Amino acid sequence: AQKVTQAQTEISVVEKEDVTLDCVYETRDTTYYLFWYKQPPSGELVFLIRRNSFDEQNEISGRYSWNFQKSTSSFNFTITASQVVDSAVYFCALIGDNNDMRFGAGTRLTVKP
Amino acid sequence: DVKVTQSSRYLVKRTGEKVFLECVQDMDHENMFWYRQDPGLGLRLIYFSYDVKMKEKGDIPEGYSVSREKKERFSLILESASTNQTSMYLCASNLATRGDIRYTFGSGTRLTVV
Repeated sequence: AQKVTQAQTEISVVEKEDVTLDCVYETRDTTYYLFWYKQPPSGELVFLIRRNSFDEQNEISGRYSWNFQKSTSSFNFTITASQVVDSAVYFCALIGDNNDMRFGAGTRLTVKP
Repeated sequence: DVKVTQSSRYLVKRTGEKVFLECVQDMDHENMFWYRQDPGLGLRLIYFSYDVKMKEKGDIPEGYSVSREKKERFSLILESASTNQTSMYLCASNLATRGDIRYTFGSGTRLTVV
C-alpha cells in the first residue's frame, strides 16, 4: 500500500526566511511518481512538480527546489526567501503502479510580513 | 484549456437526503477520481474509475457510491447524507497512459450536511 507522510502540520515563518517542507513516502512499487501541489486560500490545487522514481536529480525552479532521496524515501520541498504569497497548504502525493494518487495530510505554511 | 468541472461550488443538504455530486471533464481522460478533503487529513480517495461503467473503491468508500455512464462524467452519490460527510469534495481525471500521469483537479464542492 502507498503512504505519504507530512509530519509538519503547520509552519510559520517571517518573509524572506527559507523554509523546508518534509515529505516521506512508502511504496513497494519500483516505478512511482512523486508530486507537490499548492492549495492557496482559493481552494484550487496547483501542480508544482512531478518526479519519477528513476530520476533522483534535484530540481530548482526560481525560489523553489526539491530534494528527492530514494535512500530515505523522502521528497522535500524548499522555498528560498519566502514571500507572503507563498502562504498556502502544500501537499505531497504519490502515484504507484495502480495509477491512483495518494496524498499526505498537508502542511499549512504561513508567511508573515 | 483542459478542464474538470464540478457542478456546484457550495451545497447544503439535510441529513438523510440523497446527494449527487457531478463531475465532467472535457479531455477524453479514461481515469476519474473522487476525493474528500478534511483539515489535518489531506485528500483521501473515495472511489475511482478506469473506464465507463467501471469503478474501484478507494480508501474510504463507506457511505458513498459512484456512477460512470459516460466517459466524461463521474458522479459521486451519498445515498443517505450524514453530518460526518460534511467536507470538501474534489474530482480529478488523468490519462491512462503513464506518459501523462498528471492529474487535473476540479475546483471542489464544499458540502455541508445539516
